[in-house]
Amino acid sequence: DIQMTQSPSSLSASVGDRVTITCRASQSISGSLNWYQQKPGKAPKLLIHAVLSLQSGVPSRFSGSGSGTDFTLTISSLQPEDFAAYYCQQSYSTPLTFGGGTKLEIK
Amino acid sequence: QVQLRESGPGLVKPSETLSLTCTVSGGSINSYFWTWIRQPPEKGLEWIGYISYSGSTNYNPSLKSRVTISTDTSKNQFSLRLSSVTAADTAVYYCARDPIAASGHLDGLDVWGQGTTVTVSS
Repeated sequence: DIQMTQSPSSLSASVGDRVTITCRASQSISGSLNWYQQKPGKAPKLLIHAVLSLQSGVPSRFSGSGSGTDFTLTISSLQPEDFAAYYCQQSYSTPLTFGGGTKLEIK
Repeated sequence: QVQLRESGPGLVKPSETLSLTCTVSGGSINSYFWTWIRQPPEKGLEWIGYISYSGSTNYNPSLKSRVTISTDTSKNQFSLRLSSVTAADTAVYYCARDPIAASGHLDGLDVWGQGTTVTVSS
């Protein structure tokens, strides 16, 4: 199985801050990396697929980058609605696997 | 647009079989890959497996001996059966749609159900 390691596991930030979350795969996953946002009691929502493709309707303050084994999700200017949990996921090979998550909290 | 909705018992006894159904509305089940994911309380996401538009299945090896995913195309539904459940199977269970990317690999899970909580307890 491909292990996905996210960091940090939690993060406190303020509205307007620029935030970066990282995700590392245990082996190369080429461009098969996706990011999700999950709010309490809700299903995850796809934000970015294939490393950097913004899902329809997702604000442009979200961006993704990386290749091979190292990837990042950046939120350029945090908004109140962005405080949530974020997960990376590899779709390169089965079993599909998720990172452990990053909980983004208000400072 | 496409919507997914999970249904099934919220309480299952240990050693019994968990059965859930996902109803797809606003689109056909005869394309895409149809997936089950679960999330234990206060924990992360675990991929259970998928069934493709052609009927092929792929399961997480950690659950493979206990899992069956099937479709009912006449009802536009797909289902999950997980046998011999224990308390460790207590989780929110989600169904989701998985497209194929241009690369040929699976793409991100782009449509999700709202999730259904299943508790394993006597």
